[in-house]
Parts: sequence; structure tokens; C-alpha cells
Amino acid sequence: GEDVEQSLFLSVREGDSSVINCTYTDSSSTYLYWYKQEPGAGLQLLTYIFSNMDMKQDQRLTVLLNKKDKHLSLRIADTQTGDSAIYFCAERRPGAGSYQLTFGKGTKLSVIP
Amino acid sequence: NAGVTQTPKFQVLKTGQSMTLQCAQDMNHNSMYWYRQDPGMGLRLIYYSASEGTTDKGEVPNGYNVSRLNKREFSLRLESAAPSQTSVYFCASSGHFAEAFFGQGTRLTVV
Repeated sequence: GEDVEQSLFLSVREGDSSVINCTYTDSSSTYLYWYKQEPGAGLQLLTYIFSNMDMKQDQRLTVLLNKKDKHLSLRIADTQTGDSAIYFCAERRPGAGSYQLTFGKGTKLSVIP
Repeated sequence: NAGVTQTPKFQVLKTGQSMTLQCAQDMNHNSMYWYRQDPGMGLRLIYYSASEGTTDKGEVPNGYNVSRLNKREFSLRLESAAPSQTSVYFCASSGHFAEAFFGQGTRLTVV
């Protein structure tokens, strides 16, 4: 099937904003997610957005959704060194009585002090 | 509140050995999933269970079997481990609406 696409790497300076982009595949996906993975750890749910929303803000995180282009972005304001991690975009596709999460390959965010 | 608990956290197997990865959730979720994570490949779905008593294949099911023992527990079995199954395995669960939660992972090495 089609892949969820993300850039593999992003480097920003501490205090700047980070924008991580994602293109998902299925226009019928109902929920879209951003997960954070720190080295050696599991996936931590950061935020999610329902498909009938354009934007969701949660403290330093802003999610923008463009359904027409199937484009999702995560903006992290005032990026800190603790934000260094891999960020995964995921879509929740309907199918077979359940909802499957399909992930991008992840964007590695490096924050330069 | 434990969330999703996986055991073991680390495992080394010899080629041809079998093992079962255990997963339990305490959030009363209907759906549970097993993923594997490999460098450069992201997370790929192995099997999922929409509800107790049902299981379905995901993207990469070959070499694996699963059992949805009850609503809480979803196990993944490797009958005859191969080096290609060296990976990090994640269990996840989700409810009817949105949030999907992951366990901390099992790091499996097959030698």
C-alpha cells in the first residue's frame, strides 16, 4: 500500500520553532496522531487531531491538518533540548472492524543548544 | 495506572527457538496491536485484534502467530525464530475513539 511520508531529519536551534511535516494516505482516516520516541523508549502519544478539525493547539504544540492535500504538520514552539527525539506521524485507517494505525518512518529532530 | 505492559523487555534467542511475547492492557480497550520497529522502516503492523476473540493479519504476519486470550491480553508467538525477526516489538491498544497507547517494547535478538 501507500506509505505515510515524513522527512527523515530536522535540525533546529534551541528556542526556535520546529515544524515537522507529514503526508498521509487515506482520506477516510478519522484520526491523525503525533508520537514521540526517545532513545531506547516506547512511543509516547503527543497529540492527535480528528479529521474534521483544521487545527489543534496544546501548550507548545500546534497541529495543522489540510485534508485536501492530506498534509499534517506538528509545530513545536520554543524548542528545547529535551524535544530531541524521533517524531512519528500516524493515521488511523478504517478496516476489517477495527482501526489500524499506519506510521511514517519518523523524523529525527535534533536540537542544537 | 500501568497502561500497556509488555514482557519481557529484552530477549536473545537462537535460530529455531520459540518464544511468546506477552502484552496486557488495563484500559478496557477493545483493539490491540503488535508492531515491529526496524531501523529505517518505521513501525509495521504484524497482527491486530479488533475485539476479544478476533485476530487479523497486518502488513508483515509471516513467521508469527497471535492469541487474544481475553480483553486484556494479546500475545505474539514466534514458533521458529529467524535472524530476520531481530527487532523491537511493540504492543498497543486503542479504544473506540482516538487514543492509542503503546507498551515500552521488547528488544529481541535472534542469533
